[in-house]
Amino acid sequence: DQQVKQNSPSLSVQEGRISILNCDYTNSMFDYFLWYKKYPAEGPTFLISISSIKDKNEDGRFTVFLNKSAKHLSLHIVPSQPGDSAVYFCAASARRTGANSKLTFGKGITLSVRP
Amino acid sequence: GAGVSQSPSNKVTEKGKDVELRCDPISGHTALYWYRQSLGQGLEFLIYFQGNSAPDKSGLPSDRFSAERTGGSVSTLTIQRTQQEDSAVYLCASSLDEVSSYEQYFGPGTRLTVT
Repeated sequence: DQQVKQNSPSLSVQEGRISILNCDYTNSMFDYFLWYKKYPAEGPTFLISISSIKDKNEDGRFTVFLNKSAKHLSLHIVPSQPGDSAVYFCAASARRTGANSKLTFGKGITLSVRP
Repeated sequence: GAGVSQSPSNKVTEKGKDVELRCDPISGHTALYWYRQSLGQGLEFLIYFQGNSAPDKSGLPSDRFSAERTGGSVSTLTIQRTQQEDSAVYLCASSLDEVSSYEQYFGPGTRLTVT
């Protein structure tokens, strides 16, 4: 039972354009969401996060949008750069239930940015 | 400062053997997590340590898996009588796990291959 779903396994965009990576979740108890970026043979690197009390968080070229009613979040990268090519994981945790901060991950999406 | 480190980076073992994987978290991080990533899958939570509290072992797939954290720092994940389905990348992460900082920082992982 996938509680965090990244339904598109891959995305290819042109350098300079916007990349939009989508993520859906089913557990309404999730209240904190994170995006991680992973290069081959390396561990995931934290990119950006958002609390459920917000609907948008921006950090430089990266913006995460959260739609709680739709249980959907998205990561926007603009402008996209070739160095952004990596696997991106969406993750969620349910802290307000008093549970610990263990993360539930999606399967990841491979982003390729073409020069 | 130094990030999360893991050893060994690669481990090949024969079915039925025991293996130990080591994680050194970021200094000062009180929370430590183990995850694994099987081929084509997202990261799967295994176990969580926070300070002196009893660990959350809810993600361990079988009683062949165990982990300990000595002195609130270094952690060892032990897999007894390894099976081929145990082959995966085992990732360790640490965090401050405070209200202001839920982000988890990952090590490079240990790639375990059971032959």
